[in-house]
Amino acid sequence: SQKIEQNSEALNIQEGKTATLTCNYTNYSPAYLQWYRQDPGRGPVFLLLIRENEKEKRKERLKVTFDTTLKQSLFHITASQPADSATYLCALESNNNDMRFGAGTRLTVKP
Amino acid sequence: EAEVAQSPRYKITEKSQAVAFWCDPISGHATLYWYRQILGQGPELLVQFQDESVVDDSQLPKDRFSAERLKGVDSTLKIQPAELGDSAMYLCASSFRTAGSHRNFGPGTRLLVL
Repeated sequence: SQKIEQNSEALNIQEGKTATLTCNYTNYSPAYLQWYRQDPGRGPVFLLLIRENEKEKRKERLKVTFDTTLKQSLFHITASQPADSATYLCALESNNNDMRFGAGTRLTVKP
Repeated sequence: EAEVAQSPRYKITEKSQAVAFWCDPISGHATLYWYRQILGQGPELLVQFQDESVVDDSQLPKDRFSAERLKGVDSTLKIQPAELGDSAMYLCASSFRTAGSHRNFGPGTRLLVL
């Protein structure tokens, strides 16, 4: 069966460091991979989308990589700030618009 | 920037009662989704509309849940009767028609069934 695994439930890092979150998947061939941020009690907010034929995408302090051979995406936040503390969800989407979400990783950036 | 609207934000009900949630998507978005999110898990799709038509309701518990989008704009999700296990966050999202379009989520409705 299809499975999406995000590295750990929680990740704690020090302000200024780079946070790296992992999204692994099995039995799936996504055409797109998306990352969302979710704050407590609120809906997810879209951050980045990367296509299956793209290796890397950047937006300000965010960087996403996508390795279809390893079936893995890495999500990096450089120069992290306490305001980056949130849960980050990866989502895999097929060409027919079917999208599945991972359980998320809760990131805490300590000052 | 346009946002997806949802109401109510919070709902407390007793089991066996009926509840209804409303969603108004971003104008021009043909696709509307209802998701359920249990604490500590990712959102799970309940139903997807393309304009006024249901394109995927395979995970909707149809014995108690119903959804409609009569004019292809706003949508209502209903639960009747509510059960204790229905306690969760109910999220509405909208997007453009094509694959590769990201979801725009509303603030969600937090449901507690007592």
